Amino acid sequence: QKEVEQNSGPLSVPEGAIASLNCTYSDRGSQSFFWYRQYSGKSPELIMFIYSNGDKEDGRFTAQLNKASQYVSLLIRDSQPSDSATYLCAAVNSGYALNFGKGTSLLVTP
Amino acid sequence: DGGITQSPKYLFRKEGQNVTLSCEQNLNHDAMYWYRQDPGQGLRLIYYSQIVNDFQKGDIAEGYSVSREKKESFPLTVTSAQKNPTAFYLCASSTRSGGYNEQFFGPGTRLTVL
Repeated sequence: QKEVEQNSGPLSVPEGAIASLNCTYSDRGSQSFFWYRQYSGKSPELIMFIYSNGDKEDGRFTAQLNKASQYVSLLIRDSQPSDSATYLCAAVNSGYALNFGKGTSLLVTP
Repeated sequence: DGGITQSPKYLFRKEGQNVTLSCEQNLNHDAMYWYRQDPGQGLRLIYYSQIVNDFQKGDIAEGYSVSREKKESFPLTVTSAQKNPTAFYLCASSTRSGGYNEQFFGPGTRLTVL
């Protein structure tokens, strides 16, 4: 079974702090990784994707990938209350579909 | 305005009924997908299609059927054989299948069995 694991949380951070969300995966053949944000009752929204080892930055978001450790993370700088949501990590190998973790709930407190 | 639309937003089904969920995209994407999400769970793949007139089963295809007669459309039928259909159903599309194409989601259909 190809697993993507996330801590369910909730992860609580104060406004303005850095939120760090983590994800591990079991399939070494996984080639690309995606972070989605999902507000309660809504569909997932793509935030970041990363294919190569290292860091990828986009605005307040940084995705980090370490294929040797099978570890993906998402950093959110200057966290805002509007960032409060569930963050879904997903991995895909050379195949067809995304394999999702169960998500981490983030709460940013004013 | 490009995007993925799903209808209806809410759907109620009686036991023993078949229902069809609509998914349409105007992004000119080749690949389309159906996922199911249960409370507190990740998304699970039901069916996917890489090209018109072709589709494959995902991890939880039993009790579901699909068609792909047009590039823009990928409807999902939830049959009476699906034992526990109450869930949030999400349609997605990407430029092509495979590991390097990000998938974009429609707004979802929430199905409840009465």
